[in-house]
Amino acid sequence: TQLLEQSPQFLSIQEGENLTVYCNSSSVFSSLQWYRQEPGEGPVLLVTVVTGGEVKKLKRLTFQFGDARKDSSLHITAAQPGDTGLYLCAGAKSKDDKIIFGKGTRLHILP
Amino acid sequence: DSGVTQTPKHLITATGQRVTLRCSPRSGDLSVYWYQQSLDQGLQFLIQYYNGEERAKGNILERFSAQQFPDLHSELNLSSLELGDSALYFCASSVAGALIYEQYFGPGTRLTVT
Repeated sequence: TQLLEQSPQFLSIQEGENLTVYCNSSSVFSSLQWYRQEPGEGPVLLVTVVTGGEVKKLKRLTFQFGDARKDSSLHITAAQPGDTGLYLCAGAKSKDDKIIFGKGTRLHILP
Repeated sequence: DSGVTQTPKHLITATGQRVTLRCSPRSGDLSVYWYQQSLDQGLQFLIQYYNGEERAKGNILERFSAQQFPDLHSELNLSSLELGDSALYFCASSVAGALIYEQYFGPGTRLTVT
């Protein structure tokens, strides 16, 4: 059972467009993280959210944690080719619990 | 460069064999995590150590074992290897044990079992 469902699985859009990807669960998480992974490399942390309803911005990226702490979204404004990569969400139900990763959204920005 | 080192970078071995993957965490980080990444299963958490002690266990097979040494480096031992064990194995480290702390991932070890 995949406890963190990411959608869409694949997304290919033109440079300059906006997009949103989602990370959903039926479980409550105490914290959730978003990572970006490029081919042949390890994931790199983008953000950690811990409070329901929390919104964090990282340049053109906006992350939101759902009010009930069961879901999260990542919105990219004016996508650029450098945003291409695999976006992973990860969560833990408590600080001592195992970490669960979603299968990721593979994003490709066309120049 | 995340500061986490993993060796070897590539490993090719035969079914039934045993291998050891090594990870050195970032300086000052006490927690080490091991992950397996395959195309069909995505990134799967295997096990976490904090300052030498096992902290959390995920989908780690009984054929796999890990430990963290007093100098904080960690080793993942994979035995009786099967074709399905072929995957990328990542190590990550963080300053402390809870997920709210940033994990820094190493470059991974690509294991191919033939």
